[in-house]
Amino acid sequence: SQQGEEDPQALSIQEGENATMNCSYKTSINNLQWYRQNSGRGLVHLILIRSNEREKHSGRLRVTLDTSKKSSSLLITASRAADTASYFCATDRMGGFKTIFGAGTRLFVKA
Amino acid sequence: ETGVTQSPTHLIKTRGQQVTLRCSSQSGHNTVSWYQQALGQGPQFIFQYYREEENGRGNFPPRFSGLQFPNYSSELNVNALELDDSALYLCASSSWTGDSGNTIYFGEGSWLTVV
Repeated sequence: SQQGEEDPQALSIQEGENATMNCSYKTSINNLQWYRQNSGRGLVHLILIRSNEREKHSGRLRVTLDTSKKSSSLLITASRAADTASYFCATDRMGGFKTIFGAGTRLFVKA
Repeated sequence: ETGVTQSPTHLIKTRGQQVTLRCSSQSGHNTVSWYQQALGQGPQFIFQYYREEENGRGNFPPRFSGLQFPNYSSELNVNALELDDSALYLCASSSWTGDSGNTIYFGEGSWLTVV
């Protein structure tokens, strides 16, 4: 089973609104990453947050991590039509060697 | 642009055939991972190679095999293709340091259709 599960599965918003996606995972992790994928293309790394960090910012992106709840959120502020894509969280487990991906959130930003 | 290139970009194979997918890692990266992504799903980890040795494998049968070469390029081989093997196959490279924070960089993928 997937380590990370994103919520919601799909999200539709108007341009200019904020988009929030959540991710839950099951085991202890070293770090959590968020990736973006445009339709049918490779994944692009957005941001990495380590297990000892609680919040991180990168441009319009804000990521939080709550290791006690085993959850993370990705906030995209002032969304644009070009933000339309699938967003995946991925985790590196403690003592593990592989990055495990969730099923993704499909974001639609309407112009 | 991640510096990871994959070939071919699209291919169609017949059930029972064999396929080889290729990946050129980003310069300086010693680790390559392969993922299978079915339509509408997240990438599923197939296996990972570090310095030419397989050092981890996901829940895939032995007919999925791989190689990593001294220049850190890589191949994914799938034998006895099944219809369910139709998917986007993603290669990802990274520089394994044993530390947390192992960002991986993906290629654009190879779309495989099995008919």
